This record gives sequence, structure tokens and C-alpha cells, in this order.
Amino acid sequence: QVQLQESGPGLVKPSETVSLTCSVSGAAIRSGDNFWSWIRQPAGKGPEWIGRIYASGSTSYTPSLKSRATISLHTSKNQISLRLSSVTAADTAVYYCATVTGSSAFDPWGQGTLVIVSS
Amino acid sequence: QSALTQPASVAGSPGQSITISCTGTRSDVENYNLVSWYQQHPGKAPKLIIYEGDKRPAEVSNRFSGSKSGNTASLTISGLQAEDEANYYCCSYAGSSTWVFGGGTNLAVL
Repeated sequence: QVQLQESGPGLVKPSETVSLTCSVSGAAIRSGDNFWSWIRQPAGKGPEWIGRIYASGSTSYTPSLKSRATISLHTSKNQISLRLSSVTAADTAVYYCATVTGSSAFDPWGQGTLVIVSS
Repeated sequence: QSALTQPASVAGSPGQSITISCTGTRSDVENYNLVSWYQQHPGKAPKLIIYEGDKRPAEVSNRFSGSKSGNTASLTISGLQAEDEANYYCCSYAGSSTWVFGGGTNLAVL
């Protein structure tokens, strides 16, 4: 059974780059037909899909974040990372990683990590 | 890419049925049979309850069902229980390896 756990710095200053990590257990991130996604959710709002990476390393991003987001695989640690540059207060949210199923659904999700952008 | 449209809130009494709508466009909901629904309790991560529009994961109660007509998907919960009180989100594949979520619906069980 796949389990995901996100981690990050918690508090980031405006204009900086935030780096988040998703540790995967129960599956090898480079094996088979695995897709991995990052999704964020501001407080009181719906989730926003950020992007996804295939086991091969190919990526896709939501258009509004494409210029600032980078998703990568780190196979030696079985981790997926998200880097988001030039952050502003609008990037404050809980950030989740999730497995993308063959039916284009997200399951399971990690427990999420809160990122607050503030000086 | 615009968020899918959901009603902000719905309410029902125990035992009743409710339906939550999710309206998209020809670029997402209408064009793909890849709508999924998620249940989220406060402080928890979203949980998949419907995928491919009308399919349930094995562990999800058959009180949850999904459907689609044109650019609108729907989630129906029958036999409402207190534990169903949560936020519900729809999501659709939108082509070119992208996805879009709805703004969410808060379900109150009165």
C-alpha cells in the first residue's frame, strides 16, 4: 500500500523559493506506470492542481504556475520534490502530494504540509 | 483553466438524499469521463470516493454514487449519516496532462 508524507520549511519569506519533499513508501517512484502529483489548498478553498511527474521524469504543470514550479524525482531517496520560486502571500496553502491512478484520480494523498509566506 | 463550479453548501437530514453538482466546460467535464470526487473532513487530507464519473473504490459505501450529463457531473449521497458531514470536491481531467478541481461544497447534516 502506497503511503506519502510531505515535509517542508513551514515559513517562507516573500520572493524566496520554497522546496517541498514527498517521501514515498510502498512503491518505487520510478517503477511501472506511476504518476505523482502536487496539489495545494489555501485555507477555506478548494484544491488546486499544481503539476505531475511520470515515472520517466516527464512533467506537466497548471498554466498559472508553469513558470514558477518544478517537480523532480529523487530515486535514491524514493522522494518527489516541488520547488516554487518567487513566492507571495497567495502561495500560502497546505501542499499535498498524491498518486495519480490509471483512472486519472488522486489516491492516496499525503497528510499535507503547511507553507506560510510571510516576512 | 477555470475551476469547476460547485454550490457552496448543501444540507440534508439523516436518512435523506442530497445531490451536489459540478459544472465544467467542453474542455474538461464534457469531453472526458474522468471526473473524480473527494470527501474532506476538517484537518484531514481529501479522500477519493468516486472515480471515472461513477465508479467507487472498494472501501467506499454504496451510498455514494456519481453521474454525468453534458458538462455537469453530480455526486449523490443517499441515506445521509452524521459522518457524511464534510466538504466535497469534484475534479476533472482537462486534457494535455492537466487537471482542474472544483471550489468545493460544504455538506451539513441537520
